[in-house]
Amino acid sequence: QVHLVESGGGVVQPGRSLRLSCVASGFTFKNFAMHWVRQAPGKGLEWVAVISSDGRSQYHADSVTGRFTISRDNSRNTVFLQMSSLRIEDAAVYFCARDASFLGTGGGFFEHWGQGAVVTVAS
Amino acid sequence: QSVLTQPPSASGTPGQMVTMSCSGDSGNIGSNYVHWYQVVPRMAPKLIIYKNNQRPSGVPDRFSASKSGSSASLTISGLRSEDEADYYCAGWDDRLNGWFFGGGTKLTVL
Repeated sequence: QVHLVESGGGVVQPGRSLRLSCVASGFTFKNFAMHWVRQAPGKGLEWVAVISSDGRSQYHADSVTGRFTISRDNSRNTVFLQMSSLRIEDAAVYFCARDASFLGTGGGFFEHWGQGAVVTVAS
Repeated sequence: QSVLTQPPSASGTPGQMVTMSCSGDSGNIGSNYVHWYQVVPRMAPKLIIYKNNQRPSGVPDRFSASKSGSSASLTISGLRSEDEADYYCAGWDDRLNGWFFGGGTKLTVL
């Protein structure tokens, strides 16, 4: 049974940094691409970033490029989202999601989701 | 403005059938799969349709979907109160090199 548990959320001031983690279990982590998807209060789903199964390929949404970085540690079954220069509009629930493929691009999809981590950006 | 366009709302009464649309272009829906997600407040999103029209195990066959050209649709038949949720289409865009969700359709079961 696939299990994804996010952590690292909290309250942070604008301009500061935060790192989210997502620990995976119930499947062979190194075989699947992983995503971060967020949902701001009262808003829709927004894809943030994807990393391939081997970590060699990453894509980020334009809204976070240059500020957020996705990475993974296959030895610890964990995917990370390093967030810097945080803005008010980055406040959201951040979901970790497992892709159905190893690349995480057009041939895959968001197959399993975690419960989310809440990030609040406020002064 | 979202890359994928969905109507903001839909509604129906129990037992009815409701269809919601998702419109894109040749760079996303027109050349890649469409997937559909159900989002209930304070719950994790749930995959209900993948690769245009495939249902994951455990999703009732009341849920069906199709794709034609650069548009897709999700149909829920035999509407039930527990179907009340937000529904999002999603797809990869080859030109923008990213994933995109539609703005979501809020389904109300009257």
